[in-house]
Amino acid sequence: SQQGEEDPQALSIQEGENATMNCSYKTSINNLQWYRQNSGRGLVHLILIRSNEREKHSGRLRVTLDTSKKSSSLLITASRAADTASYFCANRPSGSARQLTFGSGTQLTVLP
Amino acid sequence: EPEVTQTPSHQVTQMGQEVILRCVPISNHLYFYWYRQILGQKVEFLVSFYNNEISEKSEIFDDQFSVERPDGSNFTLKIRSTKLEDSAMYFCASSYTGELFFGEGSRLTVL
Repeated sequence: SQQGEEDPQALSIQEGENATMNCSYKTSINNLQWYRQNSGRGLVHLILIRSNEREKHSGRLRVTLDTSKKSSSLLITASRAADTASYFCANRPSGSARQLTFGSGTQLTVLP
Repeated sequence: EPEVTQTPSHQVTQMGQEVILRCVPISNHLYFYWYRQILGQKVEFLVSFYNNEISEKSEIFDDQFSVERPDGSNFTLKIRSTKLEDSAMYFCASSYTGELFFGEGSRLTVL
């Protein structure tokens, strides 16, 4: 089964606007993480939210988690052209020791 | 800032050949991983490694794949007999707690 599906698949906004990406998953989780990937590069960890947390902030990032709906959202405020990248949610299913399952990602383009 | 390093950055090989991808994880990390990303597709888990043994592996990680930590620093992924469908970006990652630190990847092209 597919886990961690993001929507939209692609998002294009103007610099200064906020960007919201959503992620859904299918099974119970221990935590959910968001990663960023610039084209052709490795993934960079952005933020981790535990299953008993509902909201978390880190700089211009805000992540929410709704375990009843099995969904999470990533909000990037006051976007910059340098935020252009693919954003992935990843979850560690309950019962899994270490495996992270990644979604398909949202390609964010921030236009200057 | 400590980082995960991977070599080679790009390898081209003929189908049926053996390939070894190398990784140097962050030195105090305890958990090591290999993921792959076929062009335009999602990042897929291959294997996790802890305390000198495989802790989890996916169905992708079949008998043609193996991992090794031959010394205190390197972590390798070996593909014994490459297939065309093994062409992908292979990412090594390491972790100490929950978040993973990824390398820049090794692009494998199988001809």
